[in-house]
Amino acid sequence: QSALTQPASVSGSPGQSTIISCTGSRSDIGTYNFVSWYQQHPGKAPRLLIYDVYSRPSGISNRFSGSKSGNTASLTISGLQSEDEADYYCSSRTTTSAHVVFGGGTTLTVL
Amino acid sequence: QLQLQESGPGLVKPSETLSLTCTVSGDSISSTNPYSWGWVRQPPGKGLEWIATVSYSAFNYYNPSLKSRLTVSIDASKNQFSLSLTSVTAADTAVYYCAAPDSFSNSIHYWGQGTLVTVSA
Repeated sequence: QSALTQPASVSGSPGQSTIISCTGSRSDIGTYNFVSWYQQHPGKAPRLLIYDVYSRPSGISNRFSGSKSGNTASLTISGLQSEDEADYYCSSRTTTSAHVVFGGGTTLTVL
Repeated sequence: QLQLQESGPGLVKPSETLSLTCTVSGDSISSTNPYSWGWVRQPPGKGLEWIATVSYSAFNYYNPSLKSRLTVSIDASKNQFSLSLTSVTAADTAVYYCAAPDSFSNSIHYWGQGTLVTVSA
């Protein structure tokens, strides 16, 4: 069981927007602004999409945006494209001895 | 631009030790950059699991569920860091990624391509 809870799957049509939630606790998301989001295509290494809740690495489309409220972080993907079909993972620093926790992952299907 | 490459056996017998090495290029592993060094694994068909994050001179963080079997070390002379996981079982079968997490946030900007390690007799 993952420390951060994500929906197993989400879907959307091309051009629409979708939101993936990531629910933690006061020990992780509620304490730190150190939430990251990763995209992973089958057979590939994860790719960093969002770090420090809101920031995008260079080269990442502004269609990807992050936010946080309380113990829950969210990834919004706007203008869905077929290449956005992938697995998405959130992670956070944690005050516990675990140091870092990941979510269980969300599979995005673009209909 | 950092590049990371994992190397090591793809098959390990149960109860033996899994050993992997990550070779870093693009910067010195001992430089005062914002990155530390770490490992993440992913069992087939499952999600990501953080294993460890270490820095050259400041800290070592290990996943508590693996800590008793785990050692991560840095060899600055070879610009490499290594993972050693003892007493492996089939549950340790996974793709193992080496990574360069940010030292404060642990956001992983750089990943190796991953290497599949299968634990089987």
